[in-house]
Amino acid sequence: DAMVIQNPRYQVTQFGKPVTLSCSQTLNHNVMYWYQQKSSQAPKLLFHYYDKDFNNEADTPDNFQSRRPNTSFCFLDIRSPGLGDAAMYLCATSRGGDYEQYFGPGTRLTVT
Amino acid sequence: DQQVKQNSPSLSVQEGRISILNCDYTNSMFDYFLWYKKYPAEGPTFLISISSIKDKNEDGRFTVFLNKSAKHLSLHIVPSQPGDSAVYFCAASTWRGSTLGRLYFGRGTQLTVWP
Repeated sequence: DAMVIQNPRYQVTQFGKPVTLSCSQTLNHNVMYWYQQKSSQAPKLLFHYYDKDFNNEADTPDNFQSRRPNTSFCFLDIRSPGLGDAAMYLCATSRGGDYEQYFGPGTRLTVT
Repeated sequence: DQQVKQNSPSLSVQEGRISILNCDYTNSMFDYFLWYKKYPAEGPTFLISISSIKDKNEDGRFTVFLNKSAKHLSLHIVPSQPGDSAVYFCAASTWRGSTLGRLYFGRGTQLTVWP
């Protein structure tokens, strides 16, 4: 089945220690998104790639970066995680021009 | 500022009865609305959508109603089943002035359907 895969599902990192979250997709969608979702809050868009074009949300901290080496893969890098970065991180994809987004299962990040 | 609001964090309904989940939005530029369903330890899954040119869209047990003048939409589930127990997110989007249909999400409503 075509899908969006996120690895790892659970990630524990230490305060200030860089961490990378991974997303891959078999849907061949040209748009990929990263959302942050904290408990009982709405998913918050951090940034997205439209093909190779990177689009950063205005309020996304500089601590968060992303890479998309090819159509299938996208990475979220947190350079110096703080306690406030503990959250669920959701990756999603869509076909450019479509409203519907397809989500992966998410990575639960814990910062100790 | 939340442009999409789901004011009820939880809803409990008996199996077989109707579930009504509500959503309000503030941005009149939104022209497409979606409902997502999320089970624990899974990502949100698309459920049903509606364009702003319609006021109703139906898919099996699920119906979404849109009231543009009130900036309000609702999701009706009839009949409700225990397997419908999940968090339901309302989302809104617009393509105007943008090259991307950015989604704005509400905080979600936890639906519990009991036997």
